[in-house]
Amino acid sequence: EPEVTQTPSHQVTQMGQEVILRCVPISNHLYFYWYRQILGQKVEFLVSFYNNEISEKSEIFDDQFSVERPDGSNFTLKIRSTKLEDSAMYFCASSETSLYNEQFFGPGTRLTVL
Amino acid sequence: RKEVEQDPGPFNVPEGATVAFNCTYSNSASQSFFWYRQDCRKEPKLLMSVYSSGNEDGRFTAQLNRASQYISLLIRDSKLSDSATYLCVVNTGRRALTFGSGTRLQVQP
Repeated sequence: EPEVTQTPSHQVTQMGQEVILRCVPISNHLYFYWYRQILGQKVEFLVSFYNNEISEKSEIFDDQFSVERPDGSNFTLKIRSTKLEDSAMYFCASSETSLYNEQFFGPGTRLTVL
Repeated sequence: RKEVEQDPGPFNVPEGATVAFNCTYSNSASQSFFWYRQDCRKEPKLLMSVYSSGNEDGRFTAQLNRASQYISLLIRDSKLSDSATYLCVVNTGRRALTFGSGTRLQVQP
């Protein structure tokens, strides 16, 4: 069964450093997303991406964040100048061009900012 | 009012029991509805989409009441492996999913 994959599974970084989280969406999916989940809190939407551009973003997704699809398979989330409060689980998801928008999530990257 | 509201639980039930979770959503423009399950420190996994007429998938039945902005999930014949957090999720017509905080289920032997 096709699945979304993410690397690394755990990233530890120092405050102020830049991190890049990587995702490989399901191959025939056209919509890609990033969500985050702070420990003990609910899953929150960050950004959606379609046709090589951002289609929607939340208030959380400020200038510190950027997304890119550098090639035909990878989808990345870059966080510049990380802050302590960026520590969270970051999930990538993808969906087909489906009316019901069923999104399938990757296993996540746990980001720890020290 | 929270966009998607769920009772956090935990619901502690014996194996074989029937358990029901409810969820309310605030945005009447919401168009798609889902139940996901999330195991501890894992990703949300799609359990089922929820259709207007209600739908069933094995032991799981989902219902939607648009007038009351209410979604439910019924699990029959609970298994130990059903222990997880169940997330009520809505989509308001744009592509972002809005998650509830989840209801924790613990099935006991």
